[in-house]
Amino acid sequence: SQQGEEDPQALSIQEGENATMNCSYKTSINNLQWYRQNSGRGLVHLILIRSNEREKHSGRLRVTLDTSKKSSSLLITASRAADTASYFCATRPSYNTDKLIFGTGTRLQVFP
Amino acid sequence: GAGVSQSPRYKVAKRGQDVALRCDPISGHVSLFWYQQALGQGPEFLTYFQNEAQLDKSGLPSDRFFAERPEGSVSTLKIQRTQQEDSAVYLCASSPARDHTDTQYFGPGTRLTVL
Repeated sequence: SQQGEEDPQALSIQEGENATMNCSYKTSINNLQWYRQNSGRGLVHLILIRSNEREKHSGRLRVTLDTSKKSSSLLITASRAADTASYFCATRPSYNTDKLIFGTGTRLQVFP
Repeated sequence: GAGVSQSPRYKVAKRGQDVALRCDPISGHVSLFWYQQALGQGPEFLTYFQNEAQLDKSGLPSDRFFAERPEGSVSTLKIQRTQQEDSAVYLCASSPARDHTDTQYFGPGTRLTVL
């Protein structure tokens, strides 16, 4: 399998706490993206970070990228019960392809 | 506007049957992708099209899997002689143009169960 790995596999927190998920990947990349998937539904794009960027913010989301370690992290601040979902990182390899290579995902549960 | 739609949403097939899964991308989107997602796993790439051209089919697991997009809009993923290991959610995604920063917009998926 080409999939990257994410940790933790599962995370349970209380509303208001921060949630951090980590992603490691294998190939050189053009960009890395994070997606959210609610149970039984399709994936929703959250944020994209290019290979020449180190950090990006969008609302309560903060993404970091370390290409030397082939790793990324997603931080969700002040979590809400509605953030309960599975989160996947996906990389766009730097060789000539448009496909995405997804990680194994982190299941986040936020308790009210 | 309308997002990516897929049909059927659920499909149960007996082993050995052929199935056809349909994807309607967002109107005007050039690129269309198919992914397979096993239970508890992340999606895995199957194939993608730019307009009607199938540019990469390296992820198709066997020659029983075939995808087409004859007019550059709607796409069909066909699985012949289904096997139990084909049970998964099949996701379709589309994106506006060939650009490495383009977001892929995903449909809700078709859950295939092979008995």
